[in-house]
Amino acid sequence: GNSVTQMEGPVTLSEEAFLTINCTYTATGYPSLFWYVQYPGEGLQLLLKATKADDKGSNKGFEATYRKETTSFHLEKGSVQVSDSAVYFCALNSGRRALTFGSGTRLQVQP
Amino acid sequence: NAGVTQTPKFRILKIGQSMTLQCTQDMNHNYMYWYRQDPGMGLKLIYYSVGAGITDKGEVPNGYNVSRSTTEDFPLRLELAAPSQTSVYFCASSYGGQGEKDGYTFGSGTRLTVV
Repeated sequence: GNSVTQMEGPVTLSEEAFLTINCTYTATGYPSLFWYVQYPGEGLQLLLKATKADDKGSNKGFEATYRKETTSFHLEKGSVQVSDSAVYFCALNSGRRALTFGSGTRLQVQP
Repeated sequence: NAGVTQTPKFRILKIGQSMTLQCTQDMNHNYMYWYRQDPGMGLKLIYYSVGAGITDKGEVPNGYNVSRSTTEDFPLRLELAAPSQTSVYFCASSYGGQGEKDGYTFGSGTRLTVV
């Protein structure tokens, strides 16, 4: 079956540091891949997506590249801000009924 | 636009009580979903619906029921609450089933505690 594995959190960084949150997946076929972000007290919001191998999704300074050879979709940002503090979820869909989510990674950015 | 609206935001239930979590969307989305979010466990799909009158089970449907009488509404029913149902519940909707076009739109969640 489909599954998504994310790095354990929390990830604690200083402002302007470089961010990487690892995500690897197991899926049949050729899944679409997503990153969602959850700010405190809110629901999840779509951050970026990629629908085929080698695609790069980007939004708000975040990027992730769909790597089929390593079954990965790592989230990166060059310079994080305090306002980026949130929980980040990697997710996939491989033609099945609904998205499969990872367990989430909490990011804490300190000023 | 309101998007996806969930009520209530918080609720404490006693074991054996029942309740309905409400979910309404105003985007004319065909697909709607209920997920639960347990600490450190990510989101698990409870039920989903591909349109009015059509529902199907997800990964963890036991102890829950749903109905979809209109495109807008997708309530989740707990008949006999158990402590294992303590969780945060999220309703979501999408235009298409794979969420590829626009992704999912999530409500802000209902935090349920069963004591």
